[in-house]
Amino acid sequence: EDQVTQSPEALRLQEGESSSLNCSYTVSGLRGLFWYRQDPGKGPEFLFTLYSAGEEKEKERLKATLTKKESFLHITAPKPEDSATYLCAVQGTGRRALTFGSGTRLQVQP
Amino acid sequence: DSGVTQTPKHLITATGQRVTLRCSPRSGDLSVYWYQQSLDQGLQFLIQYYNGEERAKGNILERFSAQQFPDLHSELNLSSLELGDSALYFCASSLKEGSPLHFGNGTRLTVT
Repeated sequence: EDQVTQSPEALRLQEGESSSLNCSYTVSGLRGLFWYRQDPGKGPEFLFTLYSAGEEKEKERLKATLTKKESFLHITAPKPEDSATYLCAVQGTGRRALTFGSGTRLQVQP
Repeated sequence: DSGVTQTPKHLITATGQRVTLRCSPRSGDLSVYWYQQSLDQGLQFLIQYYNGEERAKGNILERFSAQQFPDLHSELNLSSLELGDSALYFCASSLKEGSPLHFGNGTRLTVT
């Protein structure tokens, strides 16, 4: 069974204070690891897909990295508009759906 | 805007009732997924359809069923509703397996 654990559950940062969110996963074979952002009352918004260890993807202030056991979402110089819940999900080999973690709730204060 | 449309946005109903949630996928996407999100469970996969056929089942209760129609829209039917069924129900679509899922904004179901 695929499993995803995200930490911390909640994170409060000051504007400009860089940090990282962690996603640890267990799958029989990784087909893809996905990062999403979810705002209150909205559906998850796709950010990145990572397919193999060593891969990195960047978008504005966000950078996602992948190892064989975990992924990190690095947030550089965050702004208040980066406040959201960040979800990590995996798709294992032979699986058709994504398995999601419980998310990290990020709050960036001005 | 993800391009995935879900209706209604909100639904309030009583225990024992039956409701239907509707989803229109992004143009060109053949796969539709249904997920349930509650405060204590996170996003839980319910069921997947691909081009009209059921492809995968997750933690879907026997009281729940779904279908995908020839025009690719999908409906999730929830019957004999219980208080514990109150949750956000999301639909997502993807072009092919392994591609990212794109989510709608969900239907918030409240069972009283």
